[in-house]
Amino acid sequence: DTEVTQTPKHLVMGMTNKKSLKCEQHMGHRAMYWYKQKAKKPPELMFVYSYEKLSINESVPSRFSPECPNSSLLNLHLHALQPEDSALYLCASSQDLIGFYDEQYFGPGTRLTVT
Amino acid sequence: GENVEQHPSTLSVQEGDSAVIKCTYSDSASNYFPWYKQELGKRPQLIIDIRSNVGEKKDQRIAVTLNKTAKHFSLHITETQPEDSAVYFCAASPPRAGSYQLTFGKGTKLSVIP
Repeated sequence: DTEVTQTPKHLVMGMTNKKSLKCEQHMGHRAMYWYKQKAKKPPELMFVYSYEKLSINESVPSRFSPECPNSSLLNLHLHALQPEDSALYLCASSQDLIGFYDEQYFGPGTRLTVT
Repeated sequence: GENVEQHPSTLSVQEGDSAVIKCTYSDSASNYFPWYKQELGKRPQLIIDIRSNVGEKKDQRIAVTLNKTAKHFSLHITETQPEDSAVYFCAASPPRAGSYQLTFGKGTKLSVIP
């Protein structure tokens, strides 16, 4: 199974709402990632988890809160977002082997609209 | 941090011709350079990658070259087909303990005209 799944596919939320994005993989990958992609722009790295520990936070505002409950799941909790946070949120995973790079698999993304 | 420049931003070629996309990076420590293809409304998909210990890699119609001294790498697609039409992103990552810190270029929209 070489697939990363994400739910929901689409999400519309108000600025006062709290919602969560979910990502799941069953490839035994130990590195998981959140990216944000605006229209016609490249993906921008937000967070990296390695062996369920947060290893990179690219200065992301605290209204985005990642969580890695286990090695297969990655969540992104959203609270008090702004309209400019509307984007495609991509999850990805890869093997985490010292000195060895393997393919980074992307999920289909969650299209988020903040109203 | 790393900065990746990608050119051109748009590229139109006739079917059967070759397409070349070029990227430069700023961090000399970067040692992993993947290329992703993203079709409209779909996820990025890895099409080829290269590590800093090789200068060229080929996979059928796709090849990537790397010049570490000049800090640039290029994607070459030969015998282009309409299904090659997509946005292509280059990326660079410094060495880490097995996970990536990918910085992407701004993308190249490739259109293959039948």
